[in-house]
Amino acid sequence: DADVTQTPRNRITKTGKRIMLECSQTKGHDRMYWYRQDPGLGLRLIYYSFDVKDINKGEISDGYSVSRQAQAKFSLSLESAIPNQTALYFCATSDSSGRTFGNEQFFGPGTRLTVL
Amino acid sequence: AQSVSQHNHHVILSEAASLELGCNYSYGGTVNLFWYVQYPGQHLQLLLKYFSGDPLVKGIKGFEAEFIKSKFSFNLRKPSVQWSDTAEYFCAVNVRGGAQKLVFGQGTRLTINP
Repeated sequence: DADVTQTPRNRITKTGKRIMLECSQTKGHDRMYWYRQDPGLGLRLIYYSFDVKDINKGEISDGYSVSRQAQAKFSLSLESAIPNQTALYFCATSDSSGRTFGNEQFFGPGTRLTVL
Repeated sequence: AQSVSQHNHHVILSEAASLELGCNYSYGGTVNLFWYVQYPGQHLQLLLKYFSGDPLVKGIKGFEAEFIKSKFSFNLRKPSVQWSDTAEYFCAVNVRGGAQKLVFGQGTRLTINP
């Protein structure tokens, strides 16, 4: 199921570098999310967007920024990467129209980011 | 603060054993409840969900979960696990009518020994 895609799938970068993680979806959903997953901490919300003109901070937005270029695209940027941003990053989508159940979210395959 | 707590961080079972993974949440309002599964190297997939109605919900692969409102719990169960159930399991909650953000528990890593 390639409805939600993320690029790159793996990335190794150095401290201080700027990097961008991209997410695209073909589900036609209006809502998109970025999470990071760390062992023992579950998934934590970084940013979310309910439509193209709407951007909201999640619980751990410091050090990150996002851009919703179109309904189908939501990018996450690390302006100056640091080692504690090493994590697995997931993009997710949901549909506010009621076509999906209870705002169920659909996840992409993840991007494994390592900051040296 | 609103939170979701999964009591077990790592559970190790033998095949055919019964499974119960705990999940408690701290929201006071009406909630939607989810269990997601993440198989090794894969993305999160929905296992089952509760929105309303019968508090015992059945999901894929023989899993079920029971919503007990008085205990703020949504425990996941399976009567007989298989080696292929080895994965990480996440409980998640969103508040109906609110900002519709999912809040996840810390996850439970399940290892099934053949």
